[in-house]
Amino acid sequence: AQSVTQLDSQVPVFEEAPVELRCNYSSSVSVYLFWYVQYPNQGLQLLLKYLSGSTLVKGINGFEAEFNKSQTSFHLRKPSVHISDTAEYFCAVSDRTGGTSYGKLTFGQGTILTVHP
Amino acid sequence: DAGVTQSPTHLIKTRGQQVTLRCSPKSGHDTVSWYQQALGQGPQFIFQYYEEEERQRGNFPDRFSGHQFPNYSSELNVNALLLGDSALYLCASSQVGQPPSLHFGNGTRLTVT
Repeated sequence: AQSVTQLDSQVPVFEEAPVELRCNYSSSVSVYLFWYVQYPNQGLQLLLKYLSGSTLVKGINGFEAEFNKSQTSFHLRKPSVHISDTAEYFCAVSDRTGGTSYGKLTFGQGTILTVHP
Repeated sequence: DAGVTQSPTHLIKTRGQQVTLRCSPKSGHDTVSWYQQALGQGPQFIFQYYEEEERQRGNFPDRFSGHQFPNYSSELNVNALLLGDSALYLCASSQVGQPPSLHFGNGTRLTVT
């Protein structure tokens, strides 16, 4: 079984400030890790994913995340946020079994990022 | 290249009724997964279809059923609707065997009154 905990339900920040959204996971098997963004009344858009290799992953819109296996964390960061980054962000995991297993993601509860001018 | 399309975008039903939601996957994708996202929650996996068969299922009752057609499109059916079934239903598509990268549609907002 897998679980994902997003440690902050809401993160307010001022424009051009740095931000970190925290995600911890628990799994009995090796996992792939993802961050998705959801704008109001829309579906989920993939920001970035960790499959293997370098633990620092760069994604779209200037976001990056670092996989820390010992701490089972996958925190999302952006050095300077914009008003347009206001949205809800979801951390998710899937197991590495392969085949159709990739379609089953376990999501966290979400973090609402609000960027103030 | 069309992404994942879902219909309808909004739906209002009464308790006890039945509903069918539809999804067309992204071009080139052969696997469809369905998720339920209640207000203020993360998406919850309902089930996944590949080769017209249900391959995996989350912790949802049998009132939730689905189908996949030869063209890879899919339907989600919910019988005997409960107030608690009110949610955003998201469809995601992918290609089996490829590194995981789910593409999501914009969802169907179901309201049960």
